Amino acid sequence: DQQVKQNSPSLSVQEGRISILNCDYTNSMFDYFLWYKKYPAEGPTFLISISSIKDKNEDGRFTVFLNKSAKHLSLHIVPSQPGDSAVYFCAASASTGNQFYFGTGTSLTVIP
Amino acid sequence: DAEITQSPRHKITETGRQVTLACHQTWNHNNMFWYRQDLGHGLRLIHYSYGVQDTNKGEVSDGYSVSRSNTEDLPLTLESAASSQTSVYFCASSESGRLMVGQYFGPGTRLTVT
Repeated sequence: DQQVKQNSPSLSVQEGRISILNCDYTNSMFDYFLWYKKYPAEGPTFLISISSIKDKNEDGRFTVFLNKSAKHLSLHIVPSQPGDSAVYFCAASASTGNQFYFGTGTSLTVIP
Repeated sequence: DAEITQSPRHKITETGRQVTLACHQTWNHNNMFWYRQDLGHGLRLIHYSYGVQDTNKGEVSDGYSVSRSNTEDLPLTLESAASSQTSVYFCASSESGRLMVGQYFGPGTRLTVT
């Protein structure tokens, strides 16, 4: 059973606008959440993370929001740039272990 | 610079053959993982290891095995390759207890089983 879900397989956004990528999880034991970015023919790379004691974490153009009651997190990219075009994976982990559970990914296309 | 490498990057094999994919990391991480990426499934965990001589089954371990004889390497073996194992395989490593920085991934191995 998929414990981390990304229900939008793809998203297209105009350059300069906001990109919002969504992720839902089912396991209430998860307390660390991460976003990875993946370009074709490369491995995923870590982008930004948040722990369950926070509801927002910001790093430059990237902000992750966490809504624990809804078991939902989102990644905001503002402003979006063509170089942001990639597949974005959401991942979650519980502090009791070292495993990460990944979503199915959202392919973002930023149109110049 | 520390890194994680995978070899080969591309492999074509026949059904029934044994195949071993290599993963080598110089981060000195205790934790190592193997994933496969398939369309519509994202990254699924095959096997993982938390240290030398430690191995554990992941979500999709059937038909795969790993061994951990040192910190740097976690080879993945397909005992008898099947067409359903055609996929892109990623190796990853992480430092114990540092969940906020996630895992470091290798560049992937594209395996085709004919």
